[in-house]
Order: sequence, then C-alpha cells, then structure tokens
Amino acid sequence: GAGVSQSPSNKVTEKGKDVELRCDPISGHTALYWYRQSLGQGLEFLIYFQGNSAPDKSGLPSDRFSAERTGGSVSTLTIQRTQQEDSAVYLCASSLLQGLIYEQYFGPGTRLTVT
Amino acid sequence: GESVGLHLPTLSVQEGDNSIINCAYSNSASDYFIWYKQESGKGPQFIIDIRSNMDKRQGQRVTVLLNKTVKHLSLQIAATQPGDSAVYFCAENMRVSWGKLQFGAGTQVVVTP
Repeated sequence: GAGVSQSPSNKVTEKGKDVELRCDPISGHTALYWYRQSLGQGLEFLIYFQGNSAPDKSGLPSDRFSAERTGGSVSTLTIQRTQQEDSAVYLCASSLLQGLIYEQYFGPGTRLTVT
Repeated sequence: GESVGLHLPTLSVQEGDNSIINCAYSNSASDYFIWYKQESGKGPQFIIDIRSNMDKRQGQRVTVLLNKTVKHLSLQIAATQPGDSAVYFCAENMRVSWGKLQFGAGTQVVVTP
C-alpha cells in the first residue's frame, strides 16, 4: 500500500507569512507524528496525535506553531508569521498503536525555506 | 540528543567490512530504543528496535547492543554494502511519554569500494 505522503515537497515563503504543511498517514495508522530536521541535525520532536487528540504538544517551539488532525487521518501543521529560523525539513510519520512496540513510518518531508 | 552542528560524525567503512555505529543516549528512564537509517532526500527508515529488558537483538545483517549501565547503544552492520551509506540515528523513548521519540544527532556512514 501507499506510504506516508507529505505536501508540498518544497515550500519557499517570505518571512512573516503563514504556511500550512500537510501529512497523509498510512491508512489505518492511528498515531501520527511531526518532527523538524534542520540541516545536518537530528530530528526534533514537535507533536504527536493518537486519533485526533494530541496528548503531547510539548515539542512545539512557540505559539506560532499549531497542528490538527481530522477524521483520524490527514494532519496539517501550521506555522504563523514564519521566521528564518523556521527553515528546516518537516517530517511526518505514522504508526499503528501496539502498546510499547511500534514502528514509525516516515514521509519524505517538506523542505521549508523562509526568505 | 546533543547537537553536533553542521558536521556529523563520519564513519568510513570498506565494502565487506563490519560497521559499528555508537550512540550515547541521554535518559536512564528510557525503555525503548530504535535505530533509523536516513538516505539523502528521504525520511528515516526503521532498522531495528530493542527494549530495555534486553541487551542484544539481531536482525538481518544488523545487531543492536544495549548497555544500560553506561547508557550506550550500538548498531553493528555485517558485511557493509554500498547501499548502507546513509546517516544513522538512534532514538529513545520512555513509557511515560509514549510517542515522543528523542533522536540523537546521527552518524554519517560512508562505504568505500
């Protein structure tokens, strides 16, 4: 079946503009995760969803960042009033919820460049 | 995990040799660990995982070792192939904060002919 898809693959925006990043998880995966990866860095956890609920929002860098998930499927990550330090690759992953044992399947990411 | 800035640690390995990639994890309460492989321009790909009640787990050509005493994790790749060239990340998770993986900075593996 299809893997995790993300759109757009690349986004260039001007500082101060809002952006929306989309993630389509693997069908049937109940958990969905957002990460950020800056150039040459590891992945930084942002938020995860169980169904449509986000039990842990502690990774969101500021109140300019928000995310929602509807219908237990598609998720959008919104960044308001973008800043240059928001430039990064934003990765989405999904997984089945199987107790402690899980495997996150990652999408290809959205490369965001704020000019 | 700690940041190493723009220059990842690099491991150069000759094709056919075994690779050992090391990771020092940060939280003694972590109870689940995963190794991921990330090729250029792609998202990370699951390789192997291990629970804290184990000290070794084997997969196909890969072995993960866990030393909780010194908070150290390693990934061994047998008979390294050109397709193994990638950045490798370890990640840790705690049961009390399920879903929140903390990733290390990564190691660049370069396989030479």
